[in-house]
This record gives sequence, C-alpha cells and structure tokens, in this order.
Amino acid sequence: AQKVTQAQTEISVVEKEDVTLDCVYETRDTTYYLFWYKQPPSGELVFLIRRNSFDEQNEISGRYSWNFQKSTSSFNFTITASQVVDSAVYFCALSEAGASGSARQLTFGSGTQLTVLP
Amino acid sequence: DSGVTQTPKHLITATGQRVTLRCSPRSGDLSVYWYQQSLDQGLQFLIQYYNGEERAKGNILERFSAQQFPDLHSELNLSSLELGDSALYFCASSVELRGQYGYTFGSGTRLTVV
Repeated sequence: AQKVTQAQTEISVVEKEDVTLDCVYETRDTTYYLFWYKQPPSGELVFLIRRNSFDEQNEISGRYSWNFQKSTSSFNFTITASQVVDSAVYFCALSEAGASGSARQLTFGSGTQLTVLP
Repeated sequence: DSGVTQTPKHLITATGQRVTLRCSPRSGDLSVYWYQQSLDQGLQFLIQYYNGEERAKGNILERFSAQQFPDLHSELNLSSLELGDSALYFCASSVELRGQYGYTFGSGTRLTVV
C-alpha cells in the first residue's frame, strides 16, 4: 500500500525567509508519480508540480524548487524568499501507474500549514 | 477555471437527509475521482470511475454511492447524513498524455450537516 508522510504539521516563517516542506513516501511500484498541491484559505487545490519516478532531476520554477531523492524516498519542496501570499496548506501526493488510460488515485499526505508573517 | 465543475458550491442539510453532489470532468477526461476532506481525516480518496465503470474504491461508506453517466459527468450520493459527514468534497478528473498523468480538481462542494 502506498503512503505519504508530511511530518511537519505547521510551519511559521517571516517574510523573505526560505522554507522547506518535507515529504516522504512509500510505494512498492517502480513507476509512480509525485505531486505537490497548494490549498489557499479559499479552499481550492492548486497543482504545483508532477514528478515521475524515473526522472530524478530537480526542478526550479521561480521561487519554488523541488528535490526528489529516490534513495531516501523523499520529495521536498523549498520556497525561496517566502511571501505572505505563500501562506496556505501544502499537500504532497503520490499515485502509482495504472493500466493505460486510467490513472490510479492520488494518496495525499496530511498537509503542512505554512504561515508567512509580514 | 480548472475545467472541472462541481455543483453546488455549498450545501447545508440536516442529519438523516440525502444529498447529491455533481461533477463535470474536464473535456476529454474519462476518469473521475471523488475525495473527502475533513478536519480529522485529511484528504481521503472515496471512489474512481473510468468511462462509466467503477475502477477503484477507497474509504467510502456504505451510505455513500456514486455513478458516472454516459456524458461522463458523475454524481456522489450521500444518504442518512451524520454530523461527521460535514466536509469539503472534491472531484477530480484525469487524462493520460504520453504516459504522463495529470489530475485536475474542481473547486469543491462544502457540505455542512446540522
């Protein structure tokens, strides 16, 4: 069975600080997909990134960066120079590859509440 | 607009009642997933439909049921509602593109049982 653990329940930082959100996953599949979603106070789930299990290249998008390490089953998310608008709940999620044409369901971590103070 | 439409956005109902939540997937997506987000359980997968057929089941109560219609929209039926069913219910749809899976979420239906 697959599992996603986000050990940090809440993180509070001051604006312009860097912050890293941790995500550790468990799966028996060799092909899987990892995701990060942002849930602002308005409630919707905003897609941030998808990473395939066979692509360990780290990714940077503006102030966001992701560090994928299969050896430690981790997919951590770093926000550089945080801003108040980054305040939200962030979810890490995992899906295993299904039969062609039908993706398997996402398994979510419990989320990390990030608060960025001005 | 994500392309996945959920209605209604808010629903308030009494215990013991039955409600139906509706989801229209993004155009071309064949899979629909339902998730429940409650304060104590987090984001829990309920059920998946693919092209009209049930594909996977998660932690869905027997009081809950779902279906996907020929036009691919889906409905989640919740009956004999209890206070603990109060939650945000999300629908998502997915597509496989060259081996890549993408999931698109609707904005959710907030259900309050009083």
